[in-house]
Amino acid sequence: GENVEQHPSTLSVQEGDSAVIKCTYSDSASNYFPWYKQELGKGPQLIIDIRSNVGEKKDQRIAVTLNKTAKHFSLHITETQPEDSAVYFCAASGNDMRFGAGTRLTVKP
Amino acid sequence: DAGITQSPRHKVTETGTPVTLRCHQTENHRYMYWYRQDPGHGLRLIHYSYGVKDTDKGEVSDGYSVSRSKTEDFLLTLESATSSQTSVYFCAISADMPGSGNTIYFGEGSWLTVV
Repeated sequence: GENVEQHPSTLSVQEGDSAVIKCTYSDSASNYFPWYKQELGKGPQLIIDIRSNVGEKKDQRIAVTLNKTAKHFSLHITETQPEDSAVYFCAASGNDMRFGAGTRLTVKP
Repeated sequence: DAGITQSPRHKVTETGTPVTLRCHQTENHRYMYWYRQDPGHGLRLIHYSYGVKDTDKGEVSDGYSVSRSKTEDFLLTLESATSSQTSVYFCAISADMPGSGNTIYFGEGSWLTVV
């Protein structure tokens, strides 16, 4: 089955800086890669996703890149704000969906 | 927000007692899932359903059973709760199987403590 590794587990940045979270996957059949944001006491919320026929996708301050050859994908958040502080999960979906262990992002004012 | 309601949201129970968590959706989605979330493990699939009375095991199904008698309801039962089942449980839904690129939407979670 699919195995997804996510790094780093914690990330602290200053407000206005960029944040990058990286994930690798093992199943070459995976074709859908969503990212979720989870705030304290809440369920994960989808923030952006990318399909395997696309190399990059951007939505305002958030972007995701996918390298199918290397089997890794990344989340980029620019101009970070304190409200970006949360736990972020990547996932890879082929025959099933597997999640990374999560990255706790802290944005310091 | 996806129309997913979990109940109860918080529960404390004793070791050895049965516990049932309920998930109700208003989206008429075919797939429903139960995940557990533990520090360092992310989200792990317990069981899922692909239709009424159609269920299958996930990666951490031991000690859990599920039932789906209606499209909108998916129940997770811990037959005899153990301390290792203390966790946050999330119900999720998707229109179709994740392998087809269908987005999974999560509920708000149920915090279960087994003492």
